[in-house]
Amino acid sequence: KAGVTQTPRYLIKTRGQQVTLSCSPISGHRSVSWYQQTPGQGLQFLFEYFSETQRNKGNFPGRFSGRQFSNSRSEMNVSTLELGDSALYLCASSLARAGIYEQYFGPGTRLTVT
Amino acid sequence: QKEVEQNSGPLSVPEGAIASLNCTYSDRVSQSFFWYRQYSGKSPELIMSIYSNGDKEDGRFTAQLNKASQYVSLLIRDSQPSDSATYLCAVNNNNDMRFGAGTRLTVKP
Repeated sequence: KAGVTQTPRYLIKTRGQQVTLSCSPISGHRSVSWYQQTPGQGLQFLFEYFSETQRNKGNFPGRFSGRQFSNSRSEMNVSTLELGDSALYLCASSLARAGIYEQYFGPGTRLTVT
Repeated sequence: QKEVEQNSGPLSVPEGAIASLNCTYSDRVSQSFFWYRQYSGKSPELIMSIYSNGDKEDGRFTAQLNKASQYVSLLIRDSQPSDSATYLCAVNNNNDMRFGAGTRLTVKP
């Protein structure tokens, strides 16, 4: 079974621009979660989508948004980029049913904002 | 108080020894617990999950859970240099997953 895929793998943007990242979950997984990872803050939860609905949300400003499509693929968008948005963005997919909550991570998208 | 706490390390053990990694969590109703391994420059990889009090063994790895003490640990037996990585503890409550900051483990040959 193919794992979680994320595109693009690397991205360089300038301040003020916006960016869209994509995530394809493991086949059959309906939950997709997004995380931001930086050396100083560790792994921080952005949001989780299940069946096209945002089910949980972390403490990030409204510049960070996401959506999920009917095939469970998900995108996240960051508008008006700031230097501090430079990070590794990870998505993780999960069956999220019947007490099974294991999350499997994709390779991540490394975003650099200059 | 952080929701999930881990010693940041670094934890250094000699090859062949037992590495012991610890994690405490604050949400008493947390339901499921996970250990991830993350190599430098890579994404986290799930290595253990545990849902009930007690021990769960998988190869060289043993996860231990004590819900009364809000404590979960990971033991790595016969540590190898390839085990050198950052280990992340994660706690899930109703699909809300929280991660610790990770413990950096170095296994010296």
